[in-house]
Amino acid sequence: QSALTQPASVSGSPGQSITISCTGTSSDIGGYNIVSWYQHHPDKVPKLMIYDVSNRPSGVSTRFSGSKSGNTASLTISGLQAEDEADYFCTSYTRSGTHVFGGGTRLTVL
Amino acid sequence: EVQLVESGGGLVQPGGSLRLSCAASGFTFSSYWMHWVRQVPGKGLVWVSHINPDGSITSYADSVKGRFTISRDNAKNTVFLQMNSLRAEDTAIYYCVRDFRATNYWGQGTLVTVSS
Repeated sequence: QSALTQPASVSGSPGQSITISCTGTSSDIGGYNIVSWYQHHPDKVPKLMIYDVSNRPSGVSTRFSGSKSGNTASLTISGLQAEDEADYFCTSYTRSGTHVFGGGTRLTVL
Repeated sequence: EVQLVESGGGLVQPGGSLRLSCAASGFTFSSYWMHWVRQVPGKGLVWVSHINPDGSITSYADSVKGRFTISRDNAKNTVFLQMNSLRAEDTAIYYCVRDFRATNYWGQGTLVTVSS
């Protein structure tokens, strides 16, 4: 159960778009469309932003979108805002019947 | 209003045991998969275990398999995590989580510290 691979950090200026990648294997991301993305601000609980690769829960801004190609999932945030600065984690269901998280990406809004 | 309230965390010596509880309210508990996820403060999220709605299916991360046991009591709207043979590396905030899909919801977490 190796953790999914995410970049440690990404940054962007307000109004720009950024993409965070999440790389796994054919036993997790590549094999299932059960990939989720969470936003985590310090001292708060994680918030679901995307589920099942590209679906947004009710109330999540349309600036957040998800996609997948092969063994890599991606989260794109468009029109970057200061409040988007947070840690972002991906997670996938696995062939073992478990779930696995990525190591997390710190997004800095410049 | 959906609520998940964890309890049972605390300080325990290496090799000891703790039983975490998560009391659910505000939704039909018996209809949902429930998970435990942990996080060392300042570090990443780690999935620990899950259980299906009727309790017949459970899974565990390799790091806790054989030491932790998840269970649920649908009559009491509660999910449990029995943690045995605790190690220093089990020190973390443990979150109770409803579902990993559209109806995802997290509790506030309970801190487990394994130290002598």
